[in-house]
Amino acid sequence: QQQVKQSPQSLIVQKGGISIINCAYENTAFDYFPWYQQFPGKGPALLIAIRPDVSEKKEGRFTISFNKSAKQFSLHIMDSQPGDSATYFCAASYAGTYKYIFGTGTRLKVLA
Amino acid sequence: DAGVIQSPRHEVTEMGQEVTLRCKPISGHDYLFWYRQTMMRGLELLIYFNNNVPIDDSGMPEDRFSAKMPNASFSTLKIQPSEPRDSAVYFCASSLGGREQFFGPGTRLTVL
Repeated sequence: QQQVKQSPQSLIVQKGGISIINCAYENTAFDYFPWYQQFPGKGPALLIAIRPDVSEKKEGRFTISFNKSAKQFSLHIMDSQPGDSATYFCAASYAGTYKYIFGTGTRLKVLA
Repeated sequence: DAGVIQSPRHEVTEMGQEVTLRCKPISGHDYLFWYRQTMMRGLELLIYFNNNVPIDDSGMPEDRFSAKMPNASFSTLKIQPSEPRDSAVYFCASSLGGREQFFGPGTRLTVL
């Protein structure tokens, strides 16, 4: 039972372009939505996170857009750089717990 | 500051053997999480502790898996007996408060 659906599976973007990764969830009891970045051979690292009472959150070149009614959220990477090439995971957790349900991941490649 | 420390980084064992994975969380963190990552199932939470007490072990696949946290600076994940389908990368993560989880580098387990 996949509770967080992530797309696309892979993404190729030119340097300087915008990378967009989407996630959709089913359970309205989720109340926290983080994005993690993982480089090969490393553990995931928290990038940015949002709560459902906010429609957008920006940190540097990374922005989360959140659509509560559609039960969707997305990660936008502005001015994408080759160093951003990694796998990105969205996740969600239920109110009152810290059990994350992760999406299946998006492998991003930014061409120089 | 040292991040989450895991050992060993790689483990190769034969089916039926006992495997013990170790984790040292970031000093001062009160939550500890064990995750498993595979191509087929993605990143999934096995168990998490708060102040050394197991809070949610619903992700532990079966009785062959056990986890302990005898003190605030050490945790183990044990598989006995191991099976080839246990082959995966096992991550330990720690957090202060539970939300922002810091992952270790992982242990790559191969069961032959």
